[in-house]
Amino acid sequence: GQNIDQPTEMTATEGAIVQINCTYQTSGFNGLFWYQQHAGEAPTFLSYNVLDGLEEKGRFSSFLSRSKGYSYLLLKELQMKDSASYLCAVSNPSGGYQKVTFGTGTKLQVIP
Amino acid sequence: DTEVTQTPKHLVMGMTNKKSLKCEQHMGHRAMYWYKQKAKKPPELMFVYSYEKLSINESVPSRFSPECPNSSLLNLHLHALQPEDSALYLCASSQEEEGRKQYFGPGTRLTVT
Repeated sequence: GQNIDQPTEMTATEGAIVQINCTYQTSGFNGLFWYQQHAGEAPTFLSYNVLDGLEEKGRFSSFLSRSKGYSYLLLKELQMKDSASYLCAVSNPSGGYQKVTFGTGTKLQVIP
Repeated sequence: DTEVTQTPKHLVMGMTNKKSLKCEQHMGHRAMYWYKQKAKKPPELMFVYSYEKLSINESVPSRFSPECPNSSLLNLHLHALQPEDSALYLCASSQEEEGRKQYFGPGTRLTVT
């Protein structure tokens, strides 16, 4: 089965740094995604980690530890527009194909 | 062109109606997906098409019928839906070889009355 856990909500201050954690237990693992989703909109891709370690992309970084079943998304220099839900999703093989399962998402509120 | 388009943007239908949702991409992706997302919930996978063939059906009720007429188009035919089927329906696509980064369309907001 698949189990992906994230905090439900977080609040952080504009200009600060916030870390959103994700733990997972899945049958098979190919990689882990982070998506951003604003209310009423479709998810937008942020990152995809396959190997252990930190990947940095501008203000956003994503970390993966496969042995610990753990990932985090780090957002630096927070802006008001970063208020959104952040979805952790795991890609695993399923019947010869890739299947992506989403966590419940973390709703981030950035305050002035 | 890195866009997935979906029509209509909004749809209201009665329980006896038949309607279709459409999705299109011109990125040459060979995998296309339908997801259902209820309010404040994550997207839930419904169907996966790979090279125009249905590869994954997540035990979706038969009142939802997917179709992939060609590599750029994906339809979802709706018939005899229930009010609890009201949700945001998202289409996505990805390169099958990579099977990773999924590009999402804007979604169709469906309301069943």
